[in-house]
Amino acid sequence: GAGVSQSPSNKVTEKGKDVELRCDPISGHTALYWYRQSLGQGLEFLIYFQGNSAPDKSGLPSDRFSAERTGGSVSTLTIQRTQQEDSAVYLCASSLVGGAYYEQYFGPGTRLTVT
Amino acid sequence: KQEVTQIPAALSVPEGENLVLNCSFTDSAIYNLQWFRQDPGKGLTSLLLIQSSQREQTSGRLNASLDKSSGRSTLYIAASQPGDSATYLCAVRIGSQGNLIFGKGTKLSVKP
Repeated sequence: GAGVSQSPSNKVTEKGKDVELRCDPISGHTALYWYRQSLGQGLEFLIYFQGNSAPDKSGLPSDRFSAERTGGSVSTLTIQRTQQEDSAVYLCASSLVGGAYYEQYFGPGTRLTVT
Repeated sequence: KQEVTQIPAALSVPEGENLVLNCSFTDSAIYNLQWFRQDPGKGLTSLLLIQSSQREQTSGRLNASLDKSSGRSTLYIAASQPGDSATYLCAVRIGSQGNLIFGKGTKLSVKP
């Protein structure tokens, strides 16, 4: 079946502009995770959704970052007033059920470049 | 704060060799540990998931072990092939919601 998909695959934006990144999880997966992969920083957790609710937003680096999930499916990650330090690959993952015991399946990522 | 370390950061081996990648974590209170591979410009592919109650998992030429008390895991790759060339990431879960804490990876190159 179809895996996790993300769009766009690449995004170049000017500093100060807003961007939206999209994630389509595997059909039927109730849990969705966003991560960021920066050069030298490795992969870091941003936010977790169970259904449409986000019980843990602790990883969001600033209030310029927000995310929502609708219909228990598609999620968008929005970055307002982008800064150069926001340049990274943004990865989305989904799992059948939220929680610690289930595998996460990752999408190919969106490479964001802020100029 | 949980920290995950992977050694070595890079490894180059000739085809056919058996090899071991190492992962260590500072807090032994984990739910499980997962190994991934990442190809350049691609997302992560899950290789093996070891629950905290398990000692090892095997899939084909891959074998992952977990020693929770000492905070260590190893990924053993048998009879390496050029197609195994990728970055291998280790990640642990410490919270019930399942978010992963990653190491920075080992970049493996298998030379024909």
